[in-house]
Amino acid sequence: DGGITQSPKYLFRKEGQNVTLSCEQNLNHDAMYWYRQDPGQGLRLIYYSQIVNDFQKGDIAEGYSVSREKKESFPLTVTSAQKNPTAFYLCASSMTGNSPLHFGNGTRLTVT
Amino acid sequence: GQQVMQIPQYQHVQEGEDFTTYCNSSTTLSNIQWYKQRPGGHPVFLIQLVKSGEVKKQKRLTFQFGEAKKNSSLHITATQTTDVGTYFCYNAGNNRKLIWGLGTSLAVNP
Repeated sequence: DGGITQSPKYLFRKEGQNVTLSCEQNLNHDAMYWYRQDPGQGLRLIYYSQIVNDFQKGDIAEGYSVSREKKESFPLTVTSAQKNPTAFYLCASSMTGNSPLHFGNGTRLTVT
Repeated sequence: GQQVMQIPQYQHVQEGEDFTTYCNSSTTLSNIQWYKQRPGGHPVFLIQLVKSGEVKKQKRLTFQFGEAKKNSSLHITATQTTDVGTYFCYNAGNNRKLIWGLGTSLAVNP
């Protein structure tokens, strides 16, 4: 089955530590995205990538970094510079920029 | 980035009642997509509307795109407990500053 996989489902970190969230897709999609969702809130775009080795900042990129070395993979690093990192992180992919988004199951990050 | 306005923010209905959520923009939208997110889950794509005045149906769900392409609605007839969740509208803008509504959370009393 094709799909998009995020791991881990739950992640706990101490303040001041960087943490990397994994996102892998086997849908052969060109575009990949990272969103952050806080309780009762909508989705806010962190970074997106339309093609390998290229990515763009979204609305809330500060304190985050990404890489897109392979079409299938788009890992997100939450750095210690992110002031409020505890959130639900969703990775998505789409065939093109206007195509429907396929989401992973998300990673719930808790930083204490 | 710019957001589309989605109303209401919350809706509580008795099972069997109808439900409608609205998505409004001050600018013309190239398209509108609707997603459903169950509690604790991830958004799942429901439908995409592209044409002015377009109406699409999926069983008890009816989706409309306004004539001016500035608004859209999702109507659920005779809600069921399986309809519980948050419904989001989304516009995949050309500049990739992707525009999401804040969602309408639907609760259904059995």
